[in-house]
Amino acid sequence: GDSVTQMEGPVTLSEEAFLTINCTYTATGYPSLFWYVQYPGEGLQLLLKATKADDKGSNKGFEATYRKETTSFHLEKGSVQVSDSAVYFCAATKTSYDKVIFGPGTSLSVIP
Amino acid sequence: NAGVTQTPKFQVLKTGQSMTLQCAQDMNHEYMSWYRQDPGMGLRLIHYSVGAGITDQGEVPNGYNVSRSTTEDFPLRLLSAAPSQTSVYFCASSSPPANTEAFFGQGTRLTVV
Repeated sequence: GDSVTQMEGPVTLSEEAFLTINCTYTATGYPSLFWYVQYPGEGLQLLLKATKADDKGSNKGFEATYRKETTSFHLEKGSVQVSDSAVYFCAATKTSYDKVIFGPGTSLSVIP
Repeated sequence: NAGVTQTPKFQVLKTGQSMTLQCAQDMNHEYMSWYRQDPGMGLRLIHYSVGAGITDQGEVPNGYNVSRSTTEDFPLRLLSAAPSQTSVYFCASSSPPANTEAFFGQGTRLTVV
């Protein structure tokens, strides 16, 4: 069945370090891909998305590129801040239905 | 700008009790879903709805019922609470096409003792 896989956490980085969180998907067809972020005590909110191959989503210094050849959508940020501490979820939806398939989430802690 | 509103935010139940988690959205979204979030397991889909009067099961539906009598509301009912249902529950809504974002409520933290 369809699935989304993320790198296991938790991830701890120092402020201004480079961040990569890997995400790969398994799905028939060409899903839309998302990164959601969950700050402590809150619900999920959209961070960025890409709807077709080679699209790059970006927001708040985060970027991810839809790579069809490797079925990946890795999240990157060049210089993380303490305020980026959160749980990050990779997700996919297919154009033919509405259910969102989530990865397990990656917890990020950024220390000063 | 309410978005998706969940109530209550916290709840403690005794084993065997029943209760309803409320979810309402004011964005006229057709799609609504319930997820549970457990440590190390991410979000798992319980039930979803593609419109008023239409519901379907997700991957973990046992022990839960839903109904969708209006576009705005999508309550989740726990029929006979069990400790295994201790979790954080999220409601989400979205509109077609499927490449649009989902909007989430703040969550309900449920403890069953």
